[in-house]
Amino acid sequence: DAKTTQPPSMDCAEGRAANLPCNHSTISGNEYVYWYRQIHSQGPQYIIHGLKNNETNEMASLIITEDRKSSTLILPHATLRDTAVYYCIAPDRGSTLGRLYFGRGTQLTVWP
Amino acid sequence: NAGVMQNPRHLVRRRGQEARLRCSPMKGHSHVYWYRQLPEEGLKFMVYLQKENIIDESGMPKERFSAEFPKEGPSILRIQQVVRGDSAAYFCASSPVWAGNTEAFFGQGTRLTVV
Repeated sequence: DAKTTQPPSMDCAEGRAANLPCNHSTISGNEYVYWYRQIHSQGPQYIIHGLKNNETNEMASLIITEDRKSSTLILPHATLRDTAVYYCIAPDRGSTLGRLYFGRGTQLTVWP
Repeated sequence: NAGVMQNPRHLVRRRGQEARLRCSPMKGHSHVYWYRQLPEEGLKFMVYLQKENIIDESGMPKERFSAEFPKEGPSILRIQQVVRGDSAAYFCASSPVWAGNTEAFFGQGTRLTVV
């Protein structure tokens, strides 16, 4: 897996956009960037993934830099329920190993 | 389509007993992953199975832990002779193909407490 680096914590006011950065400078050409989140004590939840184009779904937007060395997850209108740990992952698609390395993630706190 | 089902949700075992954790993947998913999360820590990969085969067990402790995913029935994570340090949340995930190519779906976990 490409090594990813995320800030340990961030906060955001409710209703504002939350922009969570991730560095993956060693990513290779065939590795997607995935984002998951874990709300306290629950199972992780898939959010979005992308290869090189920006992606958007009902939950979030993913902006990937042209050199693919970093990305930003955007929650356009954060709510209190978005408070969670957010994980950025870049699994090695060429690997026969199955593990997804979650790291420590970013603790996002949305305050009212 | 029901999500990934894990049971029991909470399990209490005395030191030295066996713990069996079950995971029923989503319908049509043949890839299963187990993770362990110690209190206040991140998710640690344990094992990746694909119907009847262990693909990657590099995260499994060498002793007391085993996993299986039989042709019929749920995946089982088995911990023999549990110790206090085994107390953790154990999460299972499933995917239709390898989760590096698609999203994985997680269950709500089993909280194991060893007393």
